[in-house]
Amino acid sequence: GQNIDQPTEMTATEGAIVQINCTYQTSGFNGLFWYQQHAGEAPTFLSYNVLDGLEEKGRFSSFLSRSKGYSYLLLKELQMKDSASYLCAGISGGYQKVTFGTGTKLQVIP
Amino acid sequence: DSGVTQTPKHLITATGQRVTLRCSPRSGDLSVYWYQQSLDQGLQFLIQYYNGEERAKGNILERFSAQQFPDLHSELNLSSLELGDSALYFCASSVDSRDTGYGYTFGSGTRLTVV
Repeated sequence: GQNIDQPTEMTATEGAIVQINCTYQTSGFNGLFWYQQHAGEAPTFLSYNVLDGLEEKGRFSSFLSRSKGYSYLLLKELQMKDSASYLCAGISGGYQKVTFGTGTKLQVIP
Repeated sequence: DSGVTQTPKHLITATGQRVTLRCSPRSGDLSVYWYQQSLDQGLQFLIQYYNGEERAKGNILERFSAQQFPDLHSELNLSSLELGDSALYFCASSVDSRDTGYGYTFGSGTRLTVV
């Protein structure tokens, strides 16, 4: 599996932009997910990156650099409802095993 | 509603007991995954089934077992329960683990409390 590393907590202001970083082992790497999880709820799929570059989906964008073992999730025009944990998950191996990081708890403040 | 159904939503049981958690995958999905999430912890992968066959195993304890039935629903059996088994147990499904572009769809989870 992957060793996924991401910051434990972040705080950002409503209306601002925040970048959540994630690093992973490149060995056997096949792709990367970002999920959003509100406390006590199921994770919901945000993005999937397999090639280098930026994938944009509305206010959320995700970037991948395969050679550097690095990804980030960019959230623009932050809203209070964006307060949640953001999980980075690496995909590896023939059966595409998914390993989740411990998540970054984002608090959006007024 | 994600399309993945987990029952029960909440379960309180005593140490030493055995429980069964149930998951019905989204229609058309052949792969089922079980994850454990303890308080303030990440999702720990337990086990994966694809079309009735075990495909991958994570950090699943010997006291835990699972299976996927011909109708594709899956059950996770937890026995000789300990206080440390208290957690949220999520089931997720996908069409095929080799086609990951759309990610996994998670159920709403079963919150297990062992007292």
